[in-house]
Amino acid sequence: QSALTQPRSVSGSPGQSVTITCTGTSDDVGGYNYVSWYQQHPGKAPKLLIYDVTKRPSGVPDRFSASKSGNTASLTISGLQAEDESDYFCCSYAGSYTVFGGGTKVTVL
Amino acid sequence: QVQLQESGPGLVRPSQTLSLTCLVSGDSINSPNVRYWGWIRQPAGKGLEWIGRVYASGGTIYSPSLKSRLTMSLDTSTNQVSLKLKSVTAPDTAIYFCAGNLGNSYDAFHIWGPGTVVTVSS
Repeated sequence: QSALTQPRSVSGSPGQSVTITCTGTSDDVGGYNYVSWYQQHPGKAPKLLIYDVTKRPSGVPDRFSASKSGNTASLTISGLQAEDESDYFCCSYAGSYTVFGGGTKVTVL
Repeated sequence: QVQLQESGPGLVRPSQTLSLTCLVSGDSINSPNVRYWGWIRQPAGKGLEWIGRVYASGGTIYSPSLKSRLTMSLDTSTNQVSLKLKSVTAPDTAIYFCAGNLGNSYDAFHIWGPGTVVTVSS
């Protein structure tokens, strides 16, 4: 049960798009359509952005979108805004267990 | 609206047992709207680590790396979710979050508590 692999950091200018990848294996990301994404601002609890690979809870802006191909899931933030500067974590069901990614810091330049 | 609030001792001595509770307000912990409650921890400056989940039915699934030391349970009389971690050591120092799956996904944490800081030190 190893952590999912995410880039340590990504950056973009306001208005641009950034994509965060989350790579696992066929035992987690590739094997189930239960990938979720969380946003965590410093000192705060994580907040659910995406569940079941592509679904957004009510209240999450449609600037946040996600997909999956094989063992890699991706989160795209379109029209980057200053408030999007945060840490982002992916998460996947892994056949009874749940596993998180190491997290990606998004910096808005 | 469901809200979660973790409580704990703050400081735990090495080799002792860590006991945490999560008070759930806004719904019953064994409501049909709830799929499970989970615990996640985060060492300072690091990523999230899944600890385990307890279903509304009381069944549990634990992280393999913590399974031998871990007990999670529901207390319907107080509407709280509890975690007990035996034989703690310094690497167990972290912020511990309680979170809930509110039913419309097989595996996701829809709601989180603010977290409680746990330090293991003599």
